[in-house]
This record gives sequence, structure tokens and C-alpha cells, in this order.
Amino acid sequence: QTVVTQEPSLTVPPGGTVTLTCASSTGAVTSGYYPNWIQQKPGQAPRPLIYSTSNKHSWTPARFSGSLLGGKATLTLSGVQPEDEAEYYCLLYYGGTYVFGTGTKVTVL
Amino acid sequence: QVQVVQSGAEVKKPGASVKVSCKASGYTFTSYYMHWVRQAPGQGLEWMGIINPSDGTTTYAQNFQGRVTMTRVPSTSTVYLDLSSLRSEDTAVYYCVRGGFGRDYYYYGVDVWGQGTTVTVSS
Repeated sequence: QTVVTQEPSLTVPPGGTVTLTCASSTGAVTSGYYPNWIQQKPGQAPRPLIYSTSNKHSWTPARFSGSLLGGKATLTLSGVQPEDEAEYYCLLYYGGTYVFGTGTKVTVL
Repeated sequence: QVQVVQSGAEVKKPGASVKVSCKASGYTFTSYYMHWVRQAPGQGLEWMGIINPSDGTTTYAQNFQGRVTMTRVPSTSTVYLDLSSLRSEDTAVYYCVRGGFGRDYYYYGVDVWGQGTTVTVSS
């Protein structure tokens, strides 16, 4: 059973920068896993932010960026806003199937 | 505009089956894959499977093999999720989510999410 692991929670001050990571139990995450990042606020449907490692959707604010670092997929929030407080999930592609990460709760404080 | 609209909430007894529908509009239905994702109360997102609306081919997550069936009706631009042998642990919000298009559909990830359908399994 493949497990995709994220930090359970992170806290960042308004205007600060925070980096979330996404690791696979199968080994290093590469571009071939086509990492997605998805934001979910309480009581709302999830909203995709990033696809294929670093590509932004048309609605994704510029302060969100995705990359690969140290064998993991990363999502960096720069100049964090209060409205960025949410749960963030990564989604990895495993050659036909997908697995969501465990999720990271980002608190802006 | 592009949207996917799901059917309403369901309440089922353990052992029963549930069928959730997802109607797409605003784009060419057969060009884009469709995922199903669920979220149990207070829990994370769980990927259930994917269907190619063009030819009906499916791939299911191992956790749901044997209990899940995804189908589509191109004439109505609708995909369906069938989940059988329901148990209390299947209580969740079920989402249909538009995926990518073409041979390299996985490159495009996911974009449009349905509003979610709450399925409650209770005796």
C-alpha cells in the first residue's frame, strides 16, 4: 500500500513564507509523478492550485509555487495571506492510479 | 462555463448499494477523464478511481476493487459511481473531479470539482 506523507501541520505569520513537502513511500518523487497541489478550506470543495509539479491554474495566486526538492514535491507559499489558512493536499500519479497525500493544515498566525 | 453537477445526498443501510451521478457541461464530455474522490468526516481526500468517458475504460484504487463500478452515458454527459456492500466506513462526501484530456491526461492533473454528494451509511 503506497503512502504519501505530508507534514501534519505548519504555522506561518502573515506575510511570511512556508514550504510544504510531499514524500512517497516508494522512493523519490520525480516529475513523472506529475504532482498536484490542492487547497481545501473548511466546509468547501477542494480547489486545485498546481499541476505537473509547477504549473499553475488560471485562478492560482502568484504567491503559490511548486517544485521538486530533495526527492519530494514541494509547495511554497510566499507572502502568506490570512485567507491561505487551509488544508493542503498533494496528489501523485503512479502510472494509472493516484494517491493523495495525508494533508497539511496551514495556520496563519 | 465548465461545471460538473452531482446528484443529491443519499442515506443507505449497511450492505446496500449507492449510485451517484455527475453531469458535465460547458466542455466536450468525451475529451476529459473523470475522477472520483471521497472524504470521510474529518478525514483527508481518498482517490477512488478514474474513467475515460470516451470509451468507458476505468482504473480503480486497490481499496475499492470489487466494490466499485464507474460508468458513463455520453448522450447525457453523465458519469456514475456505483459502490456496493456499503459499510459505515463508507460514510463520506463523494466528489467527481474533471481530469486531463488526451493520451497524456495525467499531465493536466485535476481541475473542476463537483459540489460533492454526501452518502450516509447507517442502520
